[in-house]
Amino acid sequence: GAGVSQSPSNKVTEKGKDVELRCDPISGHTALYWYRQSLGQGLEFLIYFQGNSAPDKSGLPSDRFSAERTGGSVSTLTIQRTQQEDSAVYLCASSRTSGNTGELFFGEGSRLTVL
Amino acid sequence: SQQGEEDPQALSIQEGENATMNCSYKTSINNLQWYRQNSGRGLVHLILIRSNEREKHSGRLRVTLDTSKKSSSLLITASRAADTASYFCATDWEGYSTLTFGKGTMLLVSP
Repeated sequence: GAGVSQSPSNKVTEKGKDVELRCDPISGHTALYWYRQSLGQGLEFLIYFQGNSAPDKSGLPSDRFSAERTGGSVSTLTIQRTQQEDSAVYLCASSRTSGNTGELFFGEGSRLTVL
Repeated sequence: SQQGEEDPQALSIQEGENATMNCSYKTSINNLQWYRQNSGRGLVHLILIRSNEREKHSGRLRVTLDTSKKSSSLLITASRAADTASYFCATDWEGYSTLTFGKGTMLLVSP
């Protein structure tokens, strides 16, 4: 597709369950980012992938959160043993180059609700 | 926190009026970007201004950057109801590889 694609768009899960969120970036974009947006808040950086370099995981809030990027393209964000405070919109973005000067292209987000 | 902070948090104006939003940040930056987010949607890039630029225009948008005051402003002229959205500034710090976003300004433009 022409833009960043995220799935699912909505996910409702029970506390303690694991969830996987998928991001398909724009073809050819080497950088991929995950952000989290809680209701009425700004974007909280989670993790950044750039090409084949080791990802920057400095924003992951706990070891329940992990992400991988296969083949330099699709990325999956996994949240294990979900908690109610994990409820948020998870936004994925990609860019042509690394962060400096790059415009980010965002997906529509995956809205996660943990009951 | 090193994130940018937008001001005001919310702004309500009438169609045809100008809207000004401000962003302040704390560290040296490479560039500053402004994004728009319509309700329930992803963010859309509006404009990027580099640290050696002072002003930039794009259509009805005008962005200024004052690195001495570590602040930026976004001006939307002749606003329209379709401009109703949240607006975020994002900073690209020197030596850091991601964008840091503020909490945004929620703009409501009434017909």
